[in-house]
Amino acid sequence: AQSVTQLGSHVSVSEGALVLLRCNYSSSVPPYLFWYVQYPNQGLQLLLKYTTGATLVKGINGFEAEFKKSETSFHLTKPSAHMSDAAEYFCAVSGGYSTLTFGKGTMLLVSP
Amino acid sequence: NAGVTQTPKFQVLKTGQSMTLQCAQDMNHEYMSWYRQDPGMGLRLIHYSVGAGITDQGEVPNGYNVSRSTTEDFPLRLLSAAPSQTSVYFCASKVGRYYGYTFGSGTRLTVV
Repeated sequence: AQSVTQLGSHVSVSEGALVLLRCNYSSSVPPYLFWYVQYPNQGLQLLLKYTTGATLVKGINGFEAEFKKSETSFHLTKPSAHMSDAAEYFCAVSGGYSTLTFGKGTMLLVSP
Repeated sequence: NAGVTQTPKFQVLKTGQSMTLQCAQDMNHEYMSWYRQDPGMGLRLIHYSVGAGITDQGEVPNGYNVSRSTTEDFPLRLLSAAPSQTSVYFCASKVGRYYGYTFGSGTRLTVV
């Protein structure tokens, strides 16, 4: 079985501040982990993914995430938030299954 | 490449009506899935397919049917629409088991 928990349904930051979105996973086998972003009235877009190898992965738009096996975490960060980062973010896990299991999402709000 | 194309974008149904949500991809992806997105619930898997002629149930399959006669197409059929099926439906495809999905832009369905 596999599951994802995203801590915080809403996160608010000021423009220029650090963005930290938390994701913890459960998987019975070594996981593959993903972060997606969804802008209003659009589909989901892949931000970054961890499969094997380097535990710090870089994605699009300046985002990165670090896989920490001991903490079963895959938190998403960005050093400096921009207004255009306001969106909903989803963490997902594939523990060897044919599909992905998604978290419930975190809405990122960016204020000027 | 068009990617993943979903039609229609919007639909209103009366309770008890049936309809088919269309999904087509032109990337020759073997894996395809249907998810529904509801506020605060994240994305929940309805049905998925790992290749033409092969389908399986996901987390919330009741009230929905699928078939996969070709690699390109993966339609989702609502047998007898209910208000609980009011949701945004996303079709997604990927090239292999451990890859990320490419999502369509979604179908917003309202059942009255």
